[in-house]
Amino acid sequence: QKEVEQNSGPLSVPEGAIASLNCTYSDRGSQSFFWYRQYSGKSPELIMSIYSNGDKEDGRFTAQLNKASQYVSLLIRDSQPSDSATYLCAVNKDTGRRALTFGSGTRLQVQP
Amino acid sequence: NAGVMQNPRHLVRRRGQEARLRCSPMKGHSHVYWYRQLPEEGLKFMVYLQKENIIDESGMPKERFSAEFPKEGPSILRIQQVVRGDSAAYFCASSPGTDNEKLFFGSGTQLSVL
Repeated sequence: QKEVEQNSGPLSVPEGAIASLNCTYSDRGSQSFFWYRQYSGKSPELIMSIYSNGDKEDGRFTAQLNKASQYVSLLIRDSQPSDSATYLCAVNKDTGRRALTFGSGTRLQVQP
Repeated sequence: NAGVMQNPRHLVRRRGQEARLRCSPMKGHSHVYWYRQLPEEGLKFMVYLQKENIIDESGMPKERFSAEFPKEGPSILRIQQVVRGDSAAYFCASSPGTDNEKLFFGSGTQLSVL
């Protein structure tokens, strides 16, 4: 079992729809969770962080965390073609270690 | 306020040569991380350094790879005797070293081994 698992996609949604990206993790002791966006050929860019169960909203983005089920998700409302990218889920397994463990990413395609 | 600076952006080496990748963290950041990314794959952690110290190198291959972050100057990831399998994008990230675990990434170095 991978430490951080994501469906590779592509996930295709029409413009204006809600895109839902999911991620599961194996280490129940994980503390911090992040979503990064990576455009093709570019570096990852942090878009959301979440540390406690529930929802966290930032503009069109909502991160959801359920530690009991060991999953974290990212919702993108009113999807735009410019949201087309690979979304990487990252988990900090150990606050002492600090280095993030990344999933392999989900490719999102927003169709105009 | 410059971000994380990596150079070179592209590096071509022949098998058996050495590759040296450089990373200057964001101003005020004292923690540096190196990750490797193969096509269509996620980022694989390699090493985590603070100034003059290697904190975690659990992701580094045991041979040919080394990293440093000297008191002055950039962090260096060094790959000796490169092989074709070393071809990948190498990303450096930095963080401020407080409770903030958020990483900020550089533009990466694309290493191609011929």
